[in-house]
Amino acid sequence: GENVEQHPSTLSVQEGDSAVIKCTYSDSASNYFPWYKQELGKRPQLIIDIRSNVGEKKDQRIAVTLNKTAKHFSLHITETQPEDSAVYFCAATPDNYGQNFVFGPGTRLSVLP
Amino acid sequence: DVKVTQSSRYLVKRTGEKVFLECVQDMDHENMFWYRQDPGLGLRLIYFSYDVKMKEKGDIPEGYSVSREKKERFSLILESASTNQTSMYLCASRSTGRAEAFFGQGTRLTVV
Repeated sequence: GENVEQHPSTLSVQEGDSAVIKCTYSDSASNYFPWYKQELGKRPQLIIDIRSNVGEKKDQRIAVTLNKTAKHFSLHITETQPEDSAVYFCAATPDNYGQNFVFGPGTRLSVLP
Repeated sequence: DVKVTQSSRYLVKRTGEKVFLECVQDMDHENMFWYRQDPGLGLRLIYFSYDVKMKEKGDIPEGYSVSREKKERFSLILESASTNQTSMYLCASRSTGRAEAFFGQGTRLTVV
């Protein structure tokens, strides 16, 4: 089955700096890769996703890159703000409309003012 | 807005009790999931259901069962609660053909 690793487990950056979180997956059949953000005490929410036919996707200050050959994908947050502080989860699934996502263990991002 | 609602935010139960966690979604989603969230382990799938009365085991089904008698409701059952089942439990739902999963607010269960 799919196995997703995520690094780092914790990340602290100064406000305005960039943050990068990296994930690797094991199943070459995976073709959909979402990222979820979970603020303290709140539910996880989708912030961006990418499919295997695309190498990069941007949405304002966040971007995701995918390297299918190396089986890794990354979340990039630029110009970080205190409200970016949260736990971020990557996930992979072998089917765009697959019934199950395999999540990484999460990265706790702290943006220091 | 999609709403996924879990019946309790916090629960404290005794070892050996039978525990029911309820989840209701209001968007007619076919797929519903129960995850367990523990620090450093991320979200681990316990069970999921892709239709009424259908269920599939996830990665950590031992000690749990589920029930889906109606499309909008997915229940997680701890047959005999144990202290190692103390955790945050998250329900999610998703429509077949759409990628995004929507989560409930979570139930923090403590077994004493």
